[in-house]
Amino acid sequence: GQQLNQSPQSMFIQEGEDVSMNCTSSSIFNTWLWYKQDPGEGPVLLIALYKAGELTSNGRLTAQFGITRKDSFLNISASIPSDVGIYFCAGQRGSGNTGKLIFGQGTTLQVKP
Amino acid sequence: DTGVSQDPRHKITKRGQNVTFRCDPISEHNRLYWYRQTLGQGPEFLTYFQNEAQLEKSRLLSDRFSAERPKGSFSTLEIQRTEQGDSAMYLCASSLVGLAGETQYFGPGTRLLVL
Repeated sequence: GQQLNQSPQSMFIQEGEDVSMNCTSSSIFNTWLWYKQDPGEGPVLLIALYKAGELTSNGRLTAQFGITRKDSFLNISASIPSDVGIYFCAGQRGSGNTGKLIFGQGTTLQVKP
Repeated sequence: DTGVSQDPRHKITKRGQNVTFRCDPISEHNRLYWYRQTLGQGPEFLTYFQNEAQLEKSRLLSDRFSAERPKGSFSTLEIQRTEQGDSAMYLCASSLVGLAGETQYFGPGTRLLVL
């Protein structure tokens, strides 16, 4: 099925470092969402973005909705061991009635204490 | 806990058997989604309901799959004559459509293994 292009695929960083990951698409989205998923669990919402150009923070996390509406990025500052997990971007077109999400392939983050 | 709940969390079945999963959404949410996630991939959309109406089904949802949301509250996803390729995590999400947009909240998932 269709998926967004998410990069990098994986990251292995030192505790305290900043992290950046992004998502791109050839199509326009009206909403961008970022989720974190731990093994064996469902995705947990981190940040939701509803307007092109919007920059939103949630603690050490900051995400932006690209001005072209075809991309988004997520930054994590001062990483800690509990940041370990898989991060997914998801786009929603919102056209017509459908609210289905299109997901990226995920970025696996490992943090070395 | 007022989040999305799913039952069972794990299911092991033999090929050819039928299985049914249940999802209880956040109580005031009017939309309910089903997704399937295989190892190393992001979730893929299967179907969704607005209240009790099933408004969209993915081509991933073969004839062996059926979903219901009879009273606009909980939903069930049934897979008939399971195949090994059905092994995956089945995720349910719910949302409330508002003026600002729509945000989906996921349940913990049901992991299915077909032997």
